[in-house]
Amino acid sequence: KQEVTQIPAALSVPEGENLVLNCSFTDSAIYNLQWFRQDPGKGLTSLLLIQSSQREQTSGRLNASLDKSSGRSTLYIAASQPGDSATYLCAVRLNTGTASKLTFGTGTRLQVTL
Amino acid sequence: GAGVSQSPSNKVTEKGKDVELRCDPISGHTALYWYRQRLGQGLEFLIYFQGNSAPDKSGLPSDRFSAERTGESVSTLTIQRTQQEDSAVYLCASSLVLGTDTQYFGPGTRLTVL
Repeated sequence: KQEVTQIPAALSVPEGENLVLNCSFTDSAIYNLQWFRQDPGKGLTSLLLIQSSQREQTSGRLNASLDKSSGRSTLYIAASQPGDSATYLCAVRLNTGTASKLTFGTGTRLQVTL
Repeated sequence: GAGVSQSPSNKVTEKGKDVELRCDPISGHTALYWYRQRLGQGLEFLIYFQGNSAPDKSGLPSDRFSAERTGESVSTLTIQRTQQEDSAVYLCASSLVLGTDTQYFGPGTRLTVL
């Protein structure tokens, strides 16, 4: 059974800092990995999608890397801003018959302070 | 363009009542997914649709849960004889195609069973 773990569970940083969120998964036979942010009372917003054949994806101040063999992904946020405060979730899609099922981690709650 | 919408946004019901939750996916998206997020827990996959078909219903928590999709568009998740443990945020997502594509999430329906 695929298990997805995110560390740390919560993080508070001052504005302007660069930070790294970690995601690890137990079954390396993944189809892809996706990072989301979740704001209170709102749904999930997709940030980055990395296919299993890719090593990283970048979007603005965000960079996500994937090391499938070691079962790890990181989300790097550069020059953090208060608006980045949210819960960040990683989710993996297995390369199996139920290839559309996403298994989510429990998230990292990020607070960026002024 | 319009994103995924869900209704109602909030639902309070009494134990034992039936509820219906609705999801309107992004127009043209062939795949639709339902997830559940209980308080303090990660997202839990429930079911997905490819067109109007749901090939894998194993994620539904019990036989009180059912889902259907019509016209390759709207989907309803029905919970019969609700229990307090059904209280959660129910999230719907859609993607253009099944498998590799990014899933776009709706804002969710917060269900409270008294």
